Amino acid sequence: KNEVEQSPQNLTAQEGEFITINCSYSVGISALHWLQQHPGGGIVSLFMLSSGKKKHGRLIATINIQEKHSSLHITASHPRDSAVYICAVKGETSGSRLTFGEGTQLTVNP
Amino acid sequence: DVKVTQSSRYLVKRTGEKVFLECVQDMDHENMFWYRQDPGLGLRLIYFSYDVKMKEKGDIPEGYSVSREKKERFSLILESASTNQTSMYLCASSLYSGYFYEQYFGPGTRLTVT
Repeated sequence: KNEVEQSPQNLTAQEGEFITINCSYSVGISALHWLQQHPGGGIVSLFMLSSGKKKHGRLIATINIQEKHSSLHITASHPRDSAVYICAVKGETSGSRLTFGEGTQLTVNP
Repeated sequence: DVKVTQSSRYLVKRTGEKVFLECVQDMDHENMFWYRQDPGLGLRLIYFSYDVKMKEKGDIPEGYSVSREKKERFSLILESASTNQTSMYLCASSLYSGYFYEQYFGPGTRLTVT
């Protein structure tokens, strides 16, 4: 079993829909990251959080430390949101290393 | 803005060749990382470096070596390329902040070994 599990693996939505991507992890963490990877490979960091909730534009990330679970929500989805979304955790004892989920491929159709 | 650059976006090499992948960051970051990304496996850490001339093995170091002679540059070396090293290679850098830090990624190099 991977230390970081994402669901779903693939998600297709219509423009305007509310989207949720889930991330569960099995180790104690000091921080969790949500990353976005567009076709062509470049990865950008969306959020880094250790508790509660963060919001940036139409993106919202939440984390429940007790349940070892995080969600990434996209409101009013748009075709330009189509990308791979990756969850990564920084373990309490892993130093500078991150452990990554396999990613969720999101496709938003017009 | 932090900029992480990689020497090539696409590379095609033959089995047995020695391959160098270069990564340069311009923000004076202490940490630098090399990952490979394969379908169904996600990002896996090959090596990372926390200072000049310092390195640590990641999860899949076999068949690879690294060099960090200057703080801004981190090189990944495939001593004798094999077809199972065909992959997307991503470099990243970060500050060492002890608790919170963010990794900044380069654009990736898609390597094909034939």
